Amino acid sequence: GDSVTQTEGLVTLTEGLPVMLNCTYQTIYSNPFLFWYVQHLNESPRLLLKSFTDNKRTEHQGFHATLHKSSSSFHLQKSSAQLSDSALYYCALSNYQLIWGSGTKLIIKP
Amino acid sequence: ETAVFQTPNYHVTQVGNEVSFNCKQTLGHDTMYWYKQDSKKLLKIMFSYNNKQLIVNETVPRRFSPQSSDKAHLNLRIKSVEPEDSAVYLCASSAWGDSYEQYFGPGTRLTVL
Repeated sequence: GDSVTQTEGLVTLTEGLPVMLNCTYQTIYSNPFLFWYVQHLNESPRLLLKSFTDNKRTEHQGFHATLHKSSSSFHLQKSSAQLSDSALYYCALSNYQLIWGSGTKLIIKP
Repeated sequence: ETAVFQTPNYHVTQVGNEVSFNCKQTLGHDTMYWYKQDSKKLLKIMFSYNNKQLIVNETVPRRFSPQSSDKAHLNLRIKSVEPEDSAVYLCASSAWGDSYEQYFGPGTRLTVL
């Protein structure tokens, strides 16, 4: 069945350094939607960005990701981490529902 | 205001009691979901309803039962709660046939003593 893999359970970075959170997926569908959701402490998940188009960069709130169907990847990046980026990040794949990765906790230190 | 609303925000109860959680969305969506988020923060789909019809019923204990009166409402009842039911229960909604992008409510935190 479809699946999403986030290899890092925890990423700790110093403020100002670049962020990269990994996401790979498996699906039988040729045109899946891929999503990144962010969940801050004591909040619910909210959409950060989504993509459907192969090899097109999608940006929102300083974060960006590019869907690469050739490698089944949708990594989340940011050029310079901020303290407020500390949160839980989920990658998800859409068939008729969302298939969720296990999440990556991002901690940004001063 | 268009959003997903959940009540209550918190609930503390004892083993063996029955609890009910309510969810309402005003986004005009036709599909609603219940998730369980445990202490490890894994998001586990429990139920999904499309236009009042159950379309996903993951392997959850039979003491859990979803109830939907219309496409804007999806409630969750737990008969005889167990300690392992302590978690955050998240309600979400989406438009069927679109990207299935989901919008979440604030969650209900259940603590079973």
